Parts: sequence; structure tokens; C-alpha cells
Amino acid sequence: DAGVTQSPTHLIKTRGQQVTLRCSPKSGHDTVSWYQQALGQGPQFIFQYYEEEERQRGNFPDRFSGHQFPNYSSELNVNALLLGDSALYLCASSLGTGPGNQPQHFGDGTRLSIL
Amino acid sequence: AQRVTQPEKLLSVFKGAPVELKCNYSYSGSPELFWYVQYSRQRLQLLLRHISRESIKGFTADLNKGETSFHLKKPFAQEEDSAMYYCALAWSTGNQFYFGTGTSLTVIP
Repeated sequence: DAGVTQSPTHLIKTRGQQVTLRCSPKSGHDTVSWYQQALGQGPQFIFQYYEEEERQRGNFPDRFSGHQFPNYSSELNVNALLLGDSALYLCASSLGTGPGNQPQHFGDGTRLSIL
Repeated sequence: AQRVTQPEKLLSVFKGAPVELKCNYSYSGSPELFWYVQYSRQRLQLLLRHISRESIKGFTADLNKGETSFHLKKPFAQEEDSAMYYCALAWSTGNQFYFGTGTSLTVIP
């Protein structure tokens, strides 16, 4: 099992563009969470998907949206990119939504650079 | 508002010395606390969580609700403990995790 896989590993975009990041959860996991990690900071929670619905959202604007597919994989979409969106985007999967469930497993992340 | 504070960005200790990584939180409910670790060139991974009351790789952490702290401790640091450590908080019934800014631990041989 490769665990959580994310694609692409690196991406360069310009301001105003749109981007889609992808995540496949660890086998057996049904919940996907997305995080933004700016340089020198801890991961910041963007949102969580379970049963193809957004279950919880962090303090991020509507430019950030997501989707979960029937096979539990997920996409993160960011519109109207800003320079401040440059960060490492992490995907984490788990079985069930609550923190008392099995721990989150993280992917390697997608490094997004905005020029 | 929920917030996790790790006051030390960098921490260096000698091999065999005790190590303590500090974590304080502000939360108005019953939180669940975690420590995550990221070794060089590896993924972020769970080290331990307070509800398990377990010791992983010699590390322990006690939740002190009075001081709102969840410090990570190990009596004798090893070189392989060098890594980035993140303290994280979640609601007991919620889905949202809050991470601290992390502490980079270096164990000097």
C-alpha cells in the first residue's frame, strides 16, 4: 500500500489562474482532509470530505473548493490564485471523521508556487 | 478561538540528555491532543495522542488541563529523534485539527 498519494508533486502557476490538486487516500480510508502549509508554519486545515460532502471547513475563502469521488479520492481546487497561495498542500486520510478514529495519514504534499 | 502554541522554533540537546518540547493550547472545551513528527525526507506522521496514554519511541506527553499544556518528553534523547515536531489539537467530537508552528529538534552526538 503506497499510502496517501498526491499529484502533482510540484506546480507553478501565475496570479489569477486556477489549479486542481489531487489526492488518493490510503487503502481502506474514507475521509480526506486538506491542509495548507506555508513556509515555516504548521499545517492549516482547509476542509474535510466524507461521503462526498464537505463536513468541516477552516478559515479559507470560497476560492478554495473541493470534491470527493465515490472511490474516496479527492480534489482541491483554488481559483483566482494569489501570491499568498504559494505553499505546500497536504492531503490526509483517515477512517471516519472524528479525531478518536484511526489517525490521519499524510501524503507528501504538492508544492504550489505562484509567480 | 482554538490555538496551539509551540514557543520554541528550534531546540538542540545533546545525545543522552532529557528533552522537552513545549505545547500550550487555548480551547474552551474538551480537546484531544496529538504530537506529529516529520523526519527528514519523510511524511508527517502521528507520534502519539493523549487518549492512548502510550509511550512511543520513548516519548510521553501528559495533558495538563490546569496549565493547558501537552508537553512532549523523553528522558534520554537519541540522534534519530532529530526531526520536526508538531503539536495538534482537535475537538473531541469535531473534524478539524489545529497544528502548532512546530519545533525543530536537533540531537547533537
